[in-house]
Amino acid sequence: SAVISQKPSRDICQRGTSLTIQCQVDSQVTMMFWYRQQPGQSLTLIATANQGSEATYESGFVIDKFPISRPNLTFSTLTVSNMSPEDSSIYLCSALQSPSTDTQYFGPGTRLTVL
Amino acid sequence: AQKITQTQPGMFVQEKEAVTLDCTYDTSDPSYGLFWYKQPSSGEMIFLIYQGSYDQQNATEGRYSLNFQKARKSANLVISASQLGDSAMYFCAMREGHDYKLSFGAGTTVTVRA
Repeated sequence: SAVISQKPSRDICQRGTSLTIQCQVDSQVTMMFWYRQQPGQSLTLIATANQGSEATYESGFVIDKFPISRPNLTFSTLTVSNMSPEDSSIYLCSALQSPSTDTQYFGPGTRLTVL
Repeated sequence: AQKITQTQPGMFVQEKEAVTLDCTYDTSDPSYGLFWYKQPSSGEMIFLIYQGSYDQQNATEGRYSLNFQKARKSANLVISASQLGDSAMYFCAMREGHDYKLSFGAGTTVTVRA
């Protein structure tokens, strides 16, 4: 299985600022995803990070708020822009090595607190 | 409509006993995959077990087994011989068709007592 790392592991930010989260996979993967987990809640998909093109966002998430890049098959970033306390969550990236394996593996998550 | 339903918010289990976590799903696609993940307090999501809709046998991975009842649309996770380290939140998830994004249930918190 792919090994996924995320940076930073946690951060405390002021409202109105932006934070970029990095996700690095140790091998080439077909698909990468970004999820949000608000406190005490389940995971919600933000977007699918597409290599070399714009991400595909889920309903309720927009590119201006959550710009995503995926410049190659092993790396992606998620930016949380113009943050408010409601953005305080765990942000997790995941990767699907290939459709045939059908299993997404997750990074350790980034725990974000917005004051 | 909720695609994944986990009706047990929290469960207590005695060490060395088995525990069953319920999961029902809703899809009209004949091809789908069902997953269970464990999330300890550290926040990481740990993959436990997978069941494909066309798999004939129930999946097993060590102490984890999945009780797949297709007609009832249920995919319950059974943890045998519980250990203190099993205390965590457990999520059931599903992907449908050729769409590989996952839909998650609300989760079940398991607390293992010594």
